[in-house]
Amino acid sequence: DQQVKQNSPSLSVQEGRISILNCDYTNSMFDYFLWYKKYPAEGPTFLISISSIKDKNEDGRFTVFLNKSAKHLSLHIVPSQPGDSAVYFCAASEYNFNKFYFGSGTKLNVKP
Amino acid sequence: ETGVTQSPTHLIKTRGQQVTLRCSSQSGHNTVSWYQQALGQGPQFIFQYYREEENGRGNFPPRFSGLQFPNYSSELNVNALELDDSALYLCASSSGQDRTNLDGYTFGSGTRLTVV
Repeated sequence: DQQVKQNSPSLSVQEGRISILNCDYTNSMFDYFLWYKKYPAEGPTFLISISSIKDKNEDGRFTVFLNKSAKHLSLHIVPSQPGDSAVYFCAASEYNFNKFYFGSGTKLNVKP
Repeated sequence: ETGVTQSPTHLIKTRGQQVTLRCSSQSGHNTVSWYQQALGQGPQFIFQYYREEENGRGNFPPRFSGLQFPNYSSELNVNALELDDSALYLCASSSGQDRTNLDGYTFGSGTRLTVV
């Protein structure tokens, strides 16, 4: 009964191309979404977030899209760089709760 | 001192034993959350402490307990260890107990616990 799902365990992309990481959720009470990036032997680091009142948020090469009706969000990385190779987690939070529900992660490999 | 530090980095325990994991919060942060990340899964919320009081708990049994100290450092204690408790345990600190600073959660590198 995982409420946040990342159905692609891994993704391989050529340097310079677009990386698209997907995330689905089931809980309609979620209203805040975040993407975290994790390198081996390090803790997750915050990447980008989006509130449910928006459908897009952009920060440099990273853009997050939210489709509330489909309960789907995606992270676009353009252009992808080898240093982007890491595990990416999406996370969601309910209104008035301060804990995250995480997906199982997608391992991104950007090939030079 | 900046960042969240956790100790130890690795630990091996025998089933039935007790373990204490430690977390030192980032300077200025008064809230700490603990997560369990099993292999191949995302982190799962265990509980959160704000100003030394528990401020929310996930779906974990009572043998998982915690403490937060006046300097905002924290401990996670697990009694009667089971094989399934083997996981990476992550600590995250932030300032404030509400949702205004969700972007500001800072995670430590975690403690890898192996129960044999």
